[in-house]
Amino acid sequence: EDQVTQSPEALRLQEGESSSLNCSYTVSGLRGLFWYRQDPGKGPEFLFTLYSAGEEKEKERLKATLTKKESFLHITAPKPEDSATYLCAVPNQAGTALIFGKGTTLSVSS
Amino acid sequence: IAGITQAPTSQILAAGRRMTLRCTQDMRHNAMYWYRQDLGLGLRLIHYSNTAGTTGKGEVPDGYSVSRANTDDFPLTLASAVPSQTSVYFCASGSGGDREQFFGPGTRLTVL
Repeated sequence: EDQVTQSPEALRLQEGESSSLNCSYTVSGLRGLFWYRQDPGKGPEFLFTLYSAGEEKEKERLKATLTKKESFLHITAPKPEDSATYLCAVPNQAGTALIFGKGTTLSVSS
Repeated sequence: IAGITQAPTSQILAAGRRMTLRCTQDMRHNAMYWYRQDLGLGLRLIHYSNTAGTTGKGEVPDGYSVSRANTDDFPLTLASAVPSQTSVYFCASGSGGDREQFFGPGTRLTVL
């Protein structure tokens, strides 16, 4: 069964304290991995797509990387406005939908 | 408009009532999706449509129905609401298959 597991469930950082979020997956034949950001009371906002092991994508203080078993979302020198829930997702085997992890809730304090 | 709109923003509904959640996209995406998001369970797919005129069942389809008469609209209907359908509902659209999806702002539904 395809599964996506994110860790940690919650992460508290001080402003400027870099860290990484993990997304591990069990799918046969990965056809893409997606990262989203979700603010309270809003819909998920698309961040990145990664398609192959070794691929990296960057946006401001965020960098997503992909291996054959997992993906990391690295946050460099975070700011309070980076506080949100970060979700990762992979396509299901049928290619009809995305399977989402339960997310990591990041809180950055100044 | 640009993106996906959902209506209503929130709704309180008596159990047994019929309710339709509306979703419209203007990105000309072929595929559209309905998810529900519950604390501790994450996002779960209810129904999807790969193209206008076709629909399919997701992980949690019971109690819900959808239609896709055209490219832009994908309404979700609860025929007879039950309290377990209290949730936040998100509509999404995309190119389909293994491509990224883009989400609407959500509808918060409470069934009493």
